[in-house]
Amino acid sequence: ETGVTQTPRHLVMGMTNKKSLKCEQHLGHNAMYWYKQSAKKPLELMFVYSLEERVENNSVPSRFSPECPNSSHLFLHLHTLQPEDSALYLCASSQDRLAGVEDTQYFGPGTRLTVL
Amino acid sequence: GQNIDQPTEMTATEGAIVQINCTYQTSGFNGLFWYQQHAGEAPTFLSYNVLDGLEEKGRFSSFLSRSKGYSYLLLKELQMKDSASYLCAVRDRGDTGRRALTFGSGTRLQVQP
Repeated sequence: ETGVTQTPRHLVMGMTNKKSLKCEQHLGHNAMYWYKQSAKKPLELMFVYSLEERVENNSVPSRFSPECPNSSHLFLHLHTLQPEDSALYLCASSQDRLAGVEDTQYFGPGTRLTVL
Repeated sequence: GQNIDQPTEMTATEGAIVQINCTYQTSGFNGLFWYQQHAGEAPTFLSYNVLDGLEEKGRFSSFLSRSKGYSYLLLKELQMKDSASYLCAVRDRGDTGRRALTFGSGTRLQVQP
């Protein structure tokens, strides 16, 4: 499945570094999402963009900054992270409709982030 | 808000049938999804239910009872490659939350020979 791609696949960074995660979707969708998946915890929704406008921000710390320059690309800018931010960061996309299976979210492979 | 419960781990035998349950309490409901996630990989979509009843897709079936806040995923003719985590997710029906999925912690299924 190459509908949603993410780079890098693995990232190790120090607490003072600045890095960015990139997501690209090739499915013609108009909504994109960032999720965080920590060990033994449910997937947590972080941000939602619909038609390039941020429509949800689930109380995420400001050290995470999303950017959606167009409907195919989504970034997550990281700065001054904490060790507890180490997790798998998953990007997803969907065709935003009112309801139905057409609104299914399709996930990228994720970026495994380790903060030292 | 949403609260979703599913068993943490299950073990089954190759060729057998296994049922993974999911219960939810929600302030709004706009569909339930099942995803499969192999270790280190992306969740992949398996099934979607919004009306009561059974949806069948090959070896996989999913059932929903909205009045009971209950769903299950049924896997038949288990194969070794079915060893994975199975995630139950509920979509909210809020004005701003209609896109949001709330996930359970996932059920880790181990298929043994």
